[in-house]
Amino acid sequence: DADVTQTPRNRITKTGKRIMLECSQTKGHDRMYWYRQDPGLGLQLIYYSFDVKDINKGEISDGYSVSRQAQAKFSLSLESAIPNQTALYFCATSDGWEQFFGPGTRLTVL
Amino acid sequence: AQSVTQPDIHITVSEGASLELRCNYSYGATPYLFWYVQSPGQGLQLLLKYFSGDTLVQGIKGFEAEFKRSQSSFNLRKPSVHWSDAAEYFCAVPNTGFQKLVFGTGTRLLVSP
Repeated sequence: DADVTQTPRNRITKTGKRIMLECSQTKGHDRMYWYRQDPGLGLQLIYYSFDVKDINKGEISDGYSVSRQAQAKFSLSLESAIPNQTALYFCATSDGWEQFFGPGTRLTVL
Repeated sequence: AQSVTQPDIHITVSEGASLELRCNYSYGATPYLFWYVQSPGQGLQLLLKYFSGDTLVQGIKGFEAEFKRSQSSFNLRKPSVHWSDAAEYFCAVPNTGFQKLVFGTGTRLLVSP
């Protein structure tokens, strides 16, 4: 089984809808991250969390929120989706040195 | 602030030829450096990392990278490319407190027959 899982893997939604992307990990890491990938821009950090009570904004947090429900679960929400949030979203965990990535969620906002 | 530059957006290499992907970094102290690979439809996988010591680092899948402080570079190399190496490659450095990674914009490798 994969160490970092993301659901759903693909999602098409409409402008204004609320969307939640979920991430679960079995690596036992405290640190978890949400990234967004757009062609030509690399990965941009949205939010990161060092434990259940520690949530931090990344470079592009506007329009997103997160919830760390447990050490193993970190969810990303788009409260009111807009088309320019169409992207590939990655969750990652870290032992403080290396980051381990999930397979990604491809989100399309129409 | 820490930053990473990958000057090549796309590179095409013939199968069996050698490969070098460029990465230049900006880092205040002795850097920690990473190379990740993203195969189509997949997440990122760590190829190799440099923390200290020997400046030539060996990674998985036959890749290596050389840290050159004088050039602020950490270029990725492979002596003989296979078609399965076609992917996107990202160089990364941590921020000062090592809370997060800063990624380059990536280099897409195409392998021609």
